[in-house]
Amino acid sequence: EPEVTQTPSHQVTQMGQEVILRCVPISNHLYFYWYRQILGQKVEFLVSFYNNEISEKSEIFDDQFSVERPDGSNFTLKIRSTKLEDSAMYFCASTRTGGGSKNIQYFGAGTRLSVL
Amino acid sequence: DQQVKQNSPSLSVQEGRISILNCDYTNSMFDYFLWYKKYPAEGPTFLISISSIKDKNEDGRFTVFLNKSAKHLSLHIVPSQPGDSAVYFCAARESGSRLTFGEGTQLTVNP
Repeated sequence: EPEVTQTPSHQVTQMGQEVILRCVPISNHLYFYWYRQILGQKVEFLVSFYNNEISEKSEIFDDQFSVERPDGSNFTLKIRSTKLEDSAMYFCASTRTGGGSKNIQYFGAGTRLSVL
Repeated sequence: DQQVKQNSPSLSVQEGRISILNCDYTNSMFDYFLWYKKYPAEGPTFLISISSIKDKNEDGRFTVFLNKSAKHLSLHIVPSQPGDSAVYFCAARESGSRLTFGEGTQLTVNP
């Protein structure tokens, strides 16, 4: 069964460093998402991406964050200068369509980011 | 963000009995509701969904009920099995595609 793959499973970084989280969405999917879950809190939407551009972003997704799909396969989330409060589980998701009943988002296993 | 709320952080039921997980929402613009379950060290896995124009959707042991006037939905699992033990998230979607999640409910099914 096709699945969304995320690497690494755990990333430890020093405050102020840049990190790149990687995701390989399901191959025929066209819409891509990043969510995060801070320990003990809800899963929160960060950004959606379609046709090589951001289609929607939340207030969390500030200038420190960026996304791209550099090679048509990987979908990456970059955090330019990490803060302690960026420590969270980051989930990538993908779906074939942007709306309607077929828009079921499939999630990867997540990357745990620990900022020290 | 309190648009989607799951008030019960945990639920414990006996194997074979019914599990009922509840979810409330405040945003009347939500047009689609989904339930995901999550095992430790895995991502959320889609379980079942319902459109806002329906009041019930059934898939095997899982049924989701939507009461639009009360802005309430529930997930029924019958019969419950030990393998159903997981965290269950309610999620809702507006006309765009972002999902708004509830806090999650930890379901434990005891053998």
